[in-house]
Amino acid sequence: AQRVTQPEKLLSVFKGAPVELKCNYSYSGSPELFWYVQYSRQRLQLLLRHISRESIKGFTADLNKGETSFHLKKPFAQEEDSAMYYCALSDLSGNTPLVFGKGTRLSVIA
Amino acid sequence: DTAVSQTPKYLVTQMGNDKSIKCEQNLGHDTMYWYKQDSKKFLKIMFSYNNKELIINETVPNRFSPKSPDKAHLNLHINSLELGDSAVYFCASSHRGSYSPLHFGNGTRLTVT
Repeated sequence: AQRVTQPEKLLSVFKGAPVELKCNYSYSGSPELFWYVQYSRQRLQLLLRHISRESIKGFTADLNKGETSFHLKKPFAQEEDSAMYYCALSDLSGNTPLVFGKGTRLSVIA
Repeated sequence: DTAVSQTPKYLVTQMGNDKSIKCEQNLGHDTMYWYKQDSKKFLKIMFSYNNKELIINETVPNRFSPKSPDKAHLNLHINSLELGDSAVYFCASSHRGSYSPLHFGNGTRLTVT
């Protein structure tokens, strides 16, 4: 069965400090990983997906199949990064349902 | 078990039929949502209800009608199903606050033939 674990409910960092939001997954198939973000009073939106290998708003995430992780990182946190972040997992093949982690609230302190 | 549960998990039906997907949460949340996962696995919000009141109503066809009999339930009724309605639909719930986590159901995979 697919499972996504985000071990931290809340992560507080100072502005300018590095950020790492942890995500571990359990899946025996070919995983496809995503990070979704929800800013205060806004809609849930896709931040990035591992197959795109892109950097959005300074965030990157590398899929580590050995450690079954997809941690979200940013070298210098900004106040506007404060939001709820959700890691999600699907299968590379087919339109399988996403499985979400429980979310981590990132709070960037000025 | 406290959770967001949606039924059915799979729904296969023919074009033109009317079908419903049910969602229930026992988390005491006051806000519920319906999201659609598209073929690229992007989630798009369709509707949101707060205490049985519709607060988000995205541009979806009128054939889609949410119904919230109470704040623990938000059902999605679809009339005259079309091939393009085939997708995975997610129910979610949360408290109303700014950073209240979303709790997702397991999704309903709708296939229209």
